Amino acid sequence: GQQLNQSPQSMFIQEGEDVSMNCTSSSIFNTWLWYKQEPGEGPVLLIALYKAGELTSNGRLTAQFGITRKDSFLNISASIPSDVGIYFCGGATNKLIFGTGTLLAVQP
Amino acid sequence: GAVVSQHPSWVICKSGTSVKIECRSLDFQATTMFWYRQFPKKSLMLMATSNEGSKATYEQGVEKDKFLINHASLTLSTLTVTSAHPEDSSFYICSATDRFLTSGANVLTFGAGSRLTVL
Repeated sequence: GQQLNQSPQSMFIQEGEDVSMNCTSSSIFNTWLWYKQEPGEGPVLLIALYKAGELTSNGRLTAQFGITRKDSFLNISASIPSDVGIYFCGGATNKLIFGTGTLLAVQP
Repeated sequence: GAVVSQHPSWVICKSGTSVKIECRSLDFQATTMFWYRQFPKKSLMLMATSNEGSKATYEQGVEKDKFLINHASLTLSTLTVTSAHPEDSSFYICSATDRFLTSGANVLTFGAGSRLTVL
């Protein structure tokens, strides 16, 4: 099945550090979405981006929709232990395709 | 906000039996529902797109006779894993939207997932 390239695959950081992850695609998308998934749960939407170049924040999270519409990044500032989880990007046209995921571990 | 309920949350079955998983939109009408499959420590792979009242559109490599999808109403879609085998064991997640994704606001609400274990 189709997947988007997401990096890094995993990150192990100290509490308080900033985090950055990104997704790239060979295809153009109308919408970029960022989700967080915790073990045994479905993904929960963090940020939705609808226009190329759009920069959107949600608390300590900031995400941008790339100008080419083929990429997006997510930044988390001042990480805290509850940020632990797997983060997925998603590119949407008439369906939503997920990135390969970034596992984030935060050490107190 | 929009809520999607999935049932059962986990199921164990014998090889050769069929298992049905339900996905319900609780407070909105879901014109489109999507079914994903997730293996441990892997991403969510889209299996099929289901529009109410029409046949599901399956992704390449997904056996439509193996994974039967029915979207009979605007609030319910079902995934039936037929003649299940151990390799079908996985985490199945549905999602739903009350608008067509090409209309711009492409936000999906996800269910909590159903873990299937086939013995």
